[in-house]
Amino acid sequence: NAGVTQTPKFQVLKTGQSMTLQCAQDMNHNSMYWYRQDPGMGLRLIYYSASEGTTDKGEVPNGYNVSRLNKREFSLRLESAAPSQTSVYFCASSESIGQPQHFGDGTRLSIL
Amino acid sequence: GQQLNQSPQSMFIQEGEDVSMNCTSSSIFNTWLWYKQDPGEGPVLLIALYKAGELTSNGRLTAQFGITRKDSFLNISASIPSDVGIYFCAGRINSGGSNYKLTFGKGTLLTVNP
Repeated sequence: NAGVTQTPKFQVLKTGQSMTLQCAQDMNHNSMYWYRQDPGMGLRLIYYSASEGTTDKGEVPNGYNVSRLNKREFSLRLESAAPSQTSVYFCASSESIGQPQHFGDGTRLSIL
Repeated sequence: GQQLNQSPQSMFIQEGEDVSMNCTSSSIFNTWLWYKQDPGEGPVLLIALYKAGELTSNGRLTAQFGITRKDSFLNISASIPSDVGIYFCAGRINSGGSNYKLTFGKGTLLTVNP
């Protein structure tokens, strides 16, 4: 009954460090997404993957990269973390692009 | 780009009261979704609406897709303490290359006093 699993749940980084956030879904969904959630800003799309083998930019892609490792897994990488990237990051998946999305429980990332 | 205005931003109510919140858009949507987020967790889908005028219930929750396709509302009847959380609306335009994009409202924070 896992759904969408994100690791780690919490992380503290220093400015300039790199980090990869992991996401896996067990619902056999084709599409996966990465969002960030900041106070007063709602959810903003960083990158998405419509299907295995494809990735595209969302609203706020700068400073991030993604990899769709296989159908189950979609990772988000911060190459050189900045304090402005302090946020809660959510991974989501859907059966296909545009279908209702199912979210993980988030990764709380602080960058000092 | 599309913008969603969700109101109210926050609500403080007594247990047993009914609640109503809504979202309006500057664009026409063909899907409206309502999510709830509990503290420390991710958003959970409550109701999905696909047709103008559609009215859908999920237990004590009822949501409607506005006739103009630019708005949606969510009602909660007979609120209970576990209704506490942030409620998000999200809308989607079916327009080819933008088919991926869900636009989220900024959320309504609901507090229920026992």
